Amino acid sequence: ETGVTQTPRHLVMGMTNKKSLKCEQHLGHNAMYWYKQSAKKPLELMFVYSLEERVENNSVPSRFSPECPNSSHLFLHLHTLQPEDSALYLCASSQDLGTGNLYGYTFGSGTRLTVV
Amino acid sequence: AQSVTQPDIHITVSEGASLELRCNYSYGATPYLFWYVQSPGQGLQLLLKYFSGDTLVQGIKGFEAEFKRSQSSFNLRKPSVHWSDAAEYFCAVGAMEYGNKLVFGAGTILRVKS
Repeated sequence: ETGVTQTPRHLVMGMTNKKSLKCEQHLGHNAMYWYKQSAKKPLELMFVYSLEERVENNSVPSRFSPECPNSSHLFLHLHTLQPEDSALYLCASSQDLGTGNLYGYTFGSGTRLTVV
Repeated sequence: AQSVTQPDIHITVSEGASLELRCNYSYGATPYLFWYVQSPGQGLQLLLKYFSGDTLVQGIKGFEAEFKRSQSSFNLRKPSVHWSDAAEYFCAVGAMEYGNKLVFGAGTILRVKS
């Protein structure tokens, strides 16, 4: 257990479904991140939150909607996904935005998403 | 543009043999450098990091890495590989000029043969 917990571990959803991924950390970190990891592709940074405020959105389609209700929780709401959205979605956290550079990130185990 | 390059997509080594995974970065000043490991179906685990001081850093699981400024490299090494080291390894670079976020390499998949 790394200190960052992601649920569910696996998710299969149809293209018309709506689902949410959850990430939780009790490390006292103030910055949280969503990454997408597809086969044979580099890690793609999707969203960055700092103190519950979204500070970065890397041209992610609107069918992905993040939410950060408090500094310990981060959600990724999914709707009308496409098969190419199937991937491992990783959540990470760092003490702050700046110290993420210095100390690195703590990652969760990811949610394996399959869109059918 | 800033970038992190891991030239080897796959590497296969025999159990007990030594290992070196390469990482090069393009950045003017000294960035913060990291190596992460990812076992199948898992998240990324931090192996080691460098931000100043001794250029040879020790990490978990018997890994070490050496920062070479002249070569803009941060290669990961292990003297004797175990079958449990089979995983994907990611090099990452952090710097204020990267916008306060880590930039990851594409990863190197390590296979260990017995």
